[in-house]
Amino acid sequence: EVQVLESGGDLVQPGGSLRLSCSASGFTLSIYAMNWVRQAPGKGLEWVSYISVSGGSTDYADSVKGRFIVSRDNFRNTLYLQMNSLRAEDTAVYFCARKVYYYMDVWGKGTTVTVSS
Amino acid sequence: EIVMTQTPLSVSVTPGQPASISCKSTQSLVHSDGKTYLCWYLQKPGQPPQLLIHEVSNRFSGVPDRFSGSGSGTDFTLKISRVEADDFGVYYCMQSKEHPWTFGQGTKVEV
Repeated sequence: EVQVLESGGDLVQPGGSLRLSCSASGFTLSIYAMNWVRQAPGKGLEWVSYISVSGGSTDYADSVKGRFIVSRDNFRNTLYLQMNSLRAEDTAVYFCARKVYYYMDVWGKGTTVTVSS
Repeated sequence: EIVMTQTPLSVSVTPGQPASISCKSTQSLVHSDGKTYLCWYLQKPGQPPQLLIHEVSNRFSGVPDRFSGSGSGTDFTLKISRVEADDFGVYYCMQSKEHPWTFGQGTKVEV
């Protein structure tokens, strides 16, 4: 079965940092572009970031630009989201999602990030 | 940024009856390649979103044919011909014409 699995979510204080990971099973993550999408409690979906297959091209939502860094280790078949200077409004479930053409077809169950003192 | 607006935000539907959700974008979703990049997702409680429709009207693999998408330019519609109990959840439209990819606010369908 084709799946992605996020990990690394935790409770962190405002201003702190956290690194999320995303691994794949049933397919080779390293040959797909990937996205991170988040969902604040009780809210809708917000696209967060994109990374190309090689990792040479990335993009971010304005709300996280300059604070979050997306990267990938294709040798380890793993995607990362380094989150710095975390704010309360970053509290959300973070999903990683496989990009195919112009849509996201495989989503993980998400990992929960809570930013609170 | 392209803003996506869905209506209604909530709808109660009797099983067996049709349902329709509208999605409007603040800019045309026609890409320079001539294609229109508008998707529909369904998110059930406690689950990640699942892709229903891509490029306005293409049903994703395994999606029942009671789901159909239509529209062009800035106005799009998702229709469910006969709602089933398994169709409850929140429906989102999403544009992928350009970054940042943006979602509508979501439409809660209660059955």
